[in-house]
Amino acid sequence: TQLLEQSPQFLSIQEGENLTVYCNSSSVFSSLQWYRQEPGEGPVLLVTVVTGGEVKKLKRLTFQFGDARKDSSLHITAAQTGDTGLYLCAGAEVTGGFKTIFGAGTRLFVKA
Amino acid sequence: GAGVSQSPSNKVTEKGKDVELRCDPISGHTALYWYRQSLGQGLEFLIYFQGNSAPDKSGLPSDRFSAERTGGSVSTLTIQRTQQEDSAVYLCASSLQAHTGELFFGEGSRLTVL
Repeated sequence: TQLLEQSPQFLSIQEGENLTVYCNSSSVFSSLQWYRQEPGEGPVLLVTVVTGGEVKKLKRLTFQFGDARKDSSLHITAAQTGDTGLYLCAGAEVTGGFKTIFGAGTRLFVKA
Repeated sequence: GAGVSQSPSNKVTEKGKDVELRCDPISGHTALYWYRQSLGQGLEFLIYFQGNSAPDKSGLPSDRFSAERTGGSVSTLTIQRTQQEDSAVYLCASSLQAHTGELFFGEGSRLTVL
């Protein structure tokens, strides 16, 4: 089974600051996803990246897939208190029937 | 339905009892997943169904855990002889096709074993 490592595990910043969250693996994934989860709810899909080197933007969020399709990053510009939550990266394994596994998550807290 | 539906939303049981958790996926989605999430942690893969293929049970933590999916739709996760370490939120997700990796989650079933 492939593993996804996320860093940092926890991040507390002031509103208006920028931040980057990383998701790394030694294995190749057919695609990577980023999810956001709020307390008491299931994760909600933010974006999927498929092509090595791909960059996708979603308002103040920028997602990048590594050239070798082993890692990804999430950059948030000018964080807002509403960005607070648990950010999870996930990947569909290329072997074993495309089972999706998750990283341990980055818990982000944005202070007003 | 419009989204993934899970029941019960909360379940409190005594150690040693059996529990069943139900998941009703989005209509037309061929892939169905069960994950377990302990407080403040990430998602631990349990089991995954894709169409009519044999399920991938590689994440089930012990033989007390089992799951079935009837008619390619509703799924039930059963935990026999529950233990306190089974306490967690059990999340179900469905996907149109597994290879997309794009999962839609229910709100989860919170299990507390006393």
